[in-house]
Amino acid sequence: GDQVEQSPSALSLHEGTSSALRCNFTTTTRSVQWFRQNSRGSLINLFYLASGTKENGRLKSAFDSKELYSTLHIRDAQLEDSGTYFCAVGTGGYKVVFGSGTRLLVSP
Amino acid sequence: EAGVTQSPRYAVLQEGQAVSFWCDPISGHDTLYWYQQPRDQGPQLLVYFRDEAVIDNSQLPSDRFSAVRPKGTNSTLKIQSAKQGDTATYLCASSFSRISNERLFFGHGTKLSVL
Repeated sequence: GDQVEQSPSALSLHEGTSSALRCNFTTTTRSVQWFRQNSRGSLINLFYLASGTKENGRLKSAFDSKELYSTLHIRDAQLEDSGTYFCAVGTGGYKVVFGSGTRLLVSP
Repeated sequence: EAGVTQSPRYAVLQEGQAVSFWCDPISGHDTLYWYQQPRDQGPQLLVYFRDEAVIDNSQLPSDRFSAVRPKGTNSTLKIQSAKQGDTATYLCASSFSRISNERLFFGHGTKLSVL
């Protein structure tokens, strides 16, 4: 079946540092989305990509449809970036499948 | 513009009881999704609709779960006889597939506890 793997499963960063999250998928995908889930459980859509890269402030995402992966780069991490980050892939027919998430904790 | 609205926010049941979750998508969004998210896991797709038609319900436990979207707007997800393993947050999302493909917008979810 469809499989979406995220790494790392957990990540700790100090404020001001940078890192990247990765999402690998085993099936051809037409799109990838990145979400952040906060402590109250709300899922916020950060990016939707059908190809290439997108940037929004300190966040940047890239989608490589040939190599079957996507990345989310967080630059100059802030406390409010803490949460769980999910990638989700569109596998065709508007079906969207989620990975298991990366828990990010940003500390002072 | 109002977002995706779900109710109730919380539900607590005994095993064997029934429960319904309601979702009002963003106005004009033609595609609606129901996900189940157990604690500390990613959302798992249960069923999704394009307008009033079910596109894929292969992951919906059909013996106890049902979902409808009769007019292509609001949707109801029902659990007929809840089990402890159904404890999870139930998330509704919508998208405007004709314009933005499957970019999803989520409601706050319904947190279900089955005792």
